[in-house]
Amino acid sequence: AQSVTQPDIHITVSEGASLELRCNYSYGATPYLFWYVQSPGQGLQLLLKYFSGDTLVQGIKGFEAEFKRSQSSFNLRKPSVHWSDAAEYFCAVGFDRGSTLGRLYFGRGTQLTVWP
Amino acid sequence: ETGVTQTPRHLVMGMTNKKSLKCEQHLGHNAMYWYKQSAKKPLELMFVYSLEERVENNSVPSRFSPECPNSSHLFLHLHTLQPEDSALYLCASSQDHRPTEAFFGQGTRLTVV
Repeated sequence: AQSVTQPDIHITVSEGASLELRCNYSYGATPYLFWYVQSPGQGLQLLLKYFSGDTLVQGIKGFEAEFKRSQSSFNLRKPSVHWSDAAEYFCAVGFDRGSTLGRLYFGRGTQLTVWP
Repeated sequence: ETGVTQTPRHLVMGMTNKKSLKCEQHLGHNAMYWYKQSAKKPLELMFVYSLEERVENNSVPSRFSPECPNSSHLFLHLHTLQPEDSALYLCASSQDHRPTEAFFGQGTRLTVV
């Protein structure tokens, strides 16, 4: 079965500390990979995406993510967290062929709390 | 106005009511989606429309009825809902029904009483 796993339900970090949010997927084909962020009461905003090429991708708000095919992972990182980064983060996977064309599979999300 | 707009932002309805959620996108996309976001559950894809045709109905109960009159508008008609249908309903759009990034609206917080 296809799945996206975000093993950390909740992460707490201090402002200024580094951050890494984990995402693993289980699919056979080459995926399209996304990270979205959701603030309370809001919709999802795209942080970054990976389709092909350089496996380290840069996104908005100082975030980056690295695709590691051997580990089926697409972890999100930020070197120094700001209080405004407190939100819920979702990893998503999509494919460009077959019956799943167009569909995004989402992880359960990781809630980030930032201490001042 | 830009992006994906959903109305209303909040809705409280009784189980015998009929209501509709509206989504409008100003991005020139030709695929639109309805997602359901419940507490402690992954986002659930409900419906996919591509070029105004429904291409996926993800085993959604018939009390949810989507409508896509054109590529910019998407509706979700609700009738005889259950309390467990209370959730955040998110609309999204993308280009060409491909897994390029989807742009999401802010959602409608639905409470069924």
